[in-house]
Amino acid sequence: GIQVEQSPPDLILQEGANSTLRCNFSDSVNNLQWFHQNPWGQLINLFYIPSGTKQNGRLSATTVATERYSLLYISSSQTTDSGVYFCAGTSGSRLTFGEGTQLTVNP
Amino acid sequence: NAGVMQNPRHLVRRRGQEARLRCSPMKGHSHVYWYRQLPEEGLKFMVYLQKENIIDESGMPKERFSAEFPKEGPSILRIQQVVRGDSAAYFCASSPLGPYEQYFGPGTRLTVT
Repeated sequence: GIQVEQSPPDLILQEGANSTLRCNFSDSVNNLQWFHQNPWGQLINLFYIPSGTKQNGRLSATTVATERYSLLYISSSQTTDSGVYFCAGTSGSRLTFGEGTQLTVNP
Repeated sequence: NAGVMQNPRHLVRRRGQEARLRCSPMKGHSHVYWYRQLPEEGLKFMVYLQKENIIDESGMPKERFSAEFPKEGPSILRIQQVVRGDSAAYFCASSPLGPYEQYFGPGTRLTVT
């Protein structure tokens, strides 16, 4: 199966700062999703982005399928952005998750 | 349109007991997936089901674990004779078709004492 590598593993920001999270895949995927797991453990769908660029408020994501990576941008971070960000891809029907980026946004 | 529903949200079982976790997919979704998240780890695929069919169970432990998605009613993940190592968050996801966006439920947190 595919391998998913996320970087950085940990990130600490001051409120208002911008950040970029990266996700690399060992093989091509036909589905790519970004999730936010909040401190209560709930998984929130952020983006379904097999290719191209999408934006939703302060968040945006870009996937370059031919080079097997995706980026998640967080602008003007807020304390409520804290949590773990996962990317996941499928090469069939199952999602393979990365180990996540633990984001802490300090006031 | 209600999202993916899971119950119970929290489940405590003693070693040796059975755990039954339920998942109702989003309306119109006929594909269900189960994932497990061990403490401090990412999510790992367990099983993929369609109505009355197990499509892929390659991520499920060979013993004590089973899953079903009957024609009527929710999908059930069943763990027999639970052990402490089964303590984890179990997430269910659904999609309208196979390799499309998967929507996750709130999870069931299983604690084995």
